[in-house]
Amino acid sequence: QSVLTQPPSVSAAPGQNVTISCSGTSSNIGSNCVSWYQQLPGTAPKLLIYDNNKRPSGIPDRFSGSKSGTSATLGITGLQTGDEADYYCGTWDSGLSVGVFGTGTKVTVL
Amino acid sequence: QVQLQESGPGLVKPSETLSLTCTVSGGSITSYYWSWIRQPPGKGLELIGYIFYSGNTNYNPSLESRVTISVDTSKNQFSLELSSVTAADTAVYYCARVGKSYDILTGYSLPFDFWGQGTLVTVSS
Repeated sequence: QSVLTQPPSVSAAPGQNVTISCSGTSSNIGSNCVSWYQQLPGTAPKLLIYDNNKRPSGIPDRFSGSKSGTSATLGITGLQTGDEADYYCGTWDSGLSVGVFGTGTKVTVL
Repeated sequence: QVQLQESGPGLVKPSETLSLTCTVSGGSITSYYWSWIRQPPGKGLELIGYIFYSGNTNYNPSLESRVTISVDTSKNQFSLELSSVTAADTAVYYCARVGKSYDILTGYSLPFDFWGQGTLVTVSS
C-alpha cells in the first residue's frame, strides 16, 4: 500500500532543475525521517537521500532533499540524461507500524 | 563494500510457499537490520518486513499472517518465506540492508542503503 503520494511524472530539458514532491500525513512524514531512492530502468533502487536531506557517500550534490510538515521534496539540479529513472520516497509510518514508500515518479529528460 | 545476493526458485505454484535467501558479503550481518522488499511488474515498492541480526522481526501487517523472515549469522544469510502464494505475489523480490535508527527529535529513520540486484518470482501453475 502506497500511503505517500508522488506525482506520476515530471520532465525537463537537460541542464534544467526539477523537484519531486512526496505528500504524507502526521503519522509518517510528519513525525519521521524521509529517504529518497533512484531506480534506473531494470535495476535495483539506490539510496539518494536519507534523514530528509543527507546524501550517502558518492551521491552528487545535484541531488538534495528537504522536508516541511507532512511533505518532502527531492530536488535535482542540472538534469542529465542519466537521471532518467523512477524516484521513490520512503519513511516509517508510526500509525501502521511499517515502512512505507511513495507511489513513484518517473523523471524524463526531454 | 557490502553486497547482497538473492537466491531461490523463480517459479512457484499457487498455494505453495515462496522461499528466498539473501547472502551478505563484504561485511558482517551483525549490528544491522535486514529487509525484504518486493515490486510487482510495472508497480511500486512494498516493504515485506525486516529482521535484526538477533532475530527480532517486523512484518508488514498486510502480509504478516503469511510471512516469516529468519537469519543465520553463521552463514551471513537471511531468508524469506511467504506462504499460500497467489498470482498477486508475482514480483521482483529485493533484499536490502536497513540503517534503522531512532531519535526523539526527528523520529524513526529507515534508509535502505544497500540492495541486492533482485530476483523475479512468478506464481503460476
